[in-house]
Amino acid sequence: DTGVSQNPRHKITKRGQNVTFRCDPISEHNRLYWYRQTLGQGPEFLTYFQNEAQLEKSRLLSDRFSAERPKGSFSTLEIQRTEQGDSAMYLCASSLRGGTGNTIYFGEGSWLTVV
Amino acid sequence: GNSVTQMEGPVTLSEEAFLTINCTYTATGYPSLFWYVQYPGEGLQLLLKATKADDKGSNKGFEATYRKETTSFHLEKGSVQVSDSAVYFCALTNSGGSNYKLTFGKGTLLTVNP
Repeated sequence: DTGVSQNPRHKITKRGQNVTFRCDPISEHNRLYWYRQTLGQGPEFLTYFQNEAQLEKSRLLSDRFSAERPKGSFSTLEIQRTEQGDSAMYLCASSLRGGTGNTIYFGEGSWLTVV
Repeated sequence: GNSVTQMEGPVTLSEEAFLTINCTYTATGYPSLFWYVQYPGEGLQLLLKATKADDKGSNKGFEATYRKETTSFHLEKGSVQVSDSAVYFCALTNSGGSNYKLTFGKGTLLTVNP
């Protein structure tokens, strides 16, 4: 039984560079979520997809952030022109659907350090 | 909007002590409530959940009861172990539908000493 898989697990990049994270959800899960977690804080919602449609984006998701989920399977989160404030763990999660009580399962996270 | 408030940590206990981590929430409608646990350097794992008032979620000796009248979902364990050391997050989802997503508290760091 494979869970939510994220790559890379760790990324160190220089300020101004672009980075991309990939998430493979649990198969057959049609909902996919991205969260950001900074040190000492709880995860904050960024965006989510139902199948290939991006249905909601948080105000935290600036113009430098873009997420895609082509064909409703894996998803990518790209950050352009990274800033030091982007340093965080980016968590991907998935759920079977959006009904009450449906469990949302998280991946191991992708740590980003911008130097 | 939805929000979750957890007791601030860190919480330090000796092995076999009783644990309570308080969690209260504000939400519209009928949220589902969750506790997630995060071990150092890892993602979040679901610990337990409750989907309606008076439901009790339980797992690995941890329990939490959905109290609508006090808007609370406190986490308890009768006898903690060193391996329970982690950060615990209380969270809720709204009633479902197109905007179903988790809102988290800030987390409570638990350290259990032998």
